[in-house]
Amino acid sequence: GESVGLHLPTLSVQEGDNSIINCAYSNSASDYFIWYKQESGKGPQFIIDIRSNMDKRQGQRVTVLLNKTVKHLSLQIAATQPGDSAVYFCAENSSYKLIFGSGTRLLVRP
Amino acid sequence: DTAVSQTPKYLVTQMGNDKSIKCEQNLGHDTMYWYKQDSKKFLKIMFSYNNKELIINETVPNRFSPKSPDKAHLNLHINSLELGDSAVYFCASSPGTSGRGETQYFGPGTRLLVL
Repeated sequence: GESVGLHLPTLSVQEGDNSIINCAYSNSASDYFIWYKQESGKGPQFIIDIRSNMDKRQGQRVTVLLNKTVKHLSLQIAATQPGDSAVYFCAENSSYKLIFGSGTRLLVRP
Repeated sequence: DTAVSQTPKYLVTQMGNDKSIKCEQNLGHDTMYWYKQDSKKFLKIMFSYNNKELIINETVPNRFSPKSPDKAHLNLHINSLELGDSAVYFCASSPGTSGRGETQYFGPGTRLLVL
């Protein structure tokens, strides 16, 4: 999703459908990327990571794709469940620190 | 068996007060961090410490002073609290010595409200 004004971009999907959350990163020298999930009232929770020498990595129901040419990262969630509702952040590891994207809220409709 | 813990979970205080937030990790990690998350959910690093030594200080006002008594603890002291300090503060840790190329594990957050 893309930022609109001051509101968090939101992706609304039907339960059981696949979700794709996109992220653009800033530093072409970044070599490590992480997706985090943040549920309401909790801290960010690690989902999956990928290093710059790969373009795809799969976990359980999640896949991360990395396109270094256009500095783009995506998170695919298969068979989205109500428990997947949260804010998702991408983060790039640059100069010994994590730089977080602005986040996307995923809403799962029953 | 909490990995990264923070106290308190909620902190409501008056402008001008001084307060501290504590963080502990039982993961045996060498590097710890403080992040600030604003009302728009934007997460930004404030500090990182490796084995009690400061390695990142992201132009945070000097009213904020991190203190690391040992590598398992990183506390954040805030002097003369201002309204704009209201946010959620997250502690995190990572296993290595530099933070480069490593997953960071986050605590549950401390919700600070300055009145």
